[in-house]
Amino acid sequence: SYVLTQPPSVSVAPGQTARMTCEGNNIGSRSVHWYQQKPGQAPVLVVYEDINRPSGIPDRFSGSNSGNTATLTISRVEAGDEADYYCQIWDQMWDSSGDHRGVFGGGTKLTVL
Amino acid sequence: EVQLVESGGGLVKPGGSLRLSCAASGFSFSSYSMIWVRQAPGKGLEWVSFISSRNSYIYYADSVKGRFTVSRDNAENSLYLQMNSLRAEDTAVYYCARGVPANYYFDSWGRGTLVTVSS
Repeated sequence: SYVLTQPPSVSVAPGQTARMTCEGNNIGSRSVHWYQQKPGQAPVLVVYEDINRPSGIPDRFSGSNSGNTATLTISRVEAGDEADYYCQIWDQMWDSSGDHRGVFGGGTKLTVL
Repeated sequence: EVQLVESGGGLVKPGGSLRLSCAASGFSFSSYSMIWVRQAPGKGLEWVSFISSRNSYIYYADSVKGRFTVSRDNAENSLYLQMNSLRAEDTAVYYCARGVPANYYFDSWGRGTLVTVSS
């Protein structure tokens, strides 16, 4: 099954740029989505289909995807951006089952110093 | 405004059963696929199940296949997860979410309901 690998933690000072990666085999051929989750809250979609932002998400959040790495970039980081961030794809199993499944990365904890 | 509200969580003994519900409002429920995602305490997100808008397609994670059953009632704007043969490792907050095709991202989530499996 397809595996998404994220670094456990990223730290950045306020006002700087945070980059969080999501690695997978030829992930550039997949459509990658990103979620932000703050403690005690449900996940919130922040980037979908590699580069798109839902309404209400600041343009400081951006995404890219190429080769074996997808990246979520947060510019001008604020204290309120401190959260866990998860990447996700929708995967089709190419075995006889024809199953589809959701796949999440393990998550990256963003710490704002 | 899209709203998803889960209910039905609680404490259950290993081997027991529980049925979760997700009440949807603020959108055309029958037009959307829905999913369940869970999160064990202190752990990451785990996709659990998918059901298409008209029940044509249903998928499960290997970890729950054969034990959990997803269903929906479009007339009642409700999604369900019947969980049988529960194990300690099923302890988690269970979220329902709305799925957007074709690349299936999850654009709206409920607040979740906690399921604890313990003797």
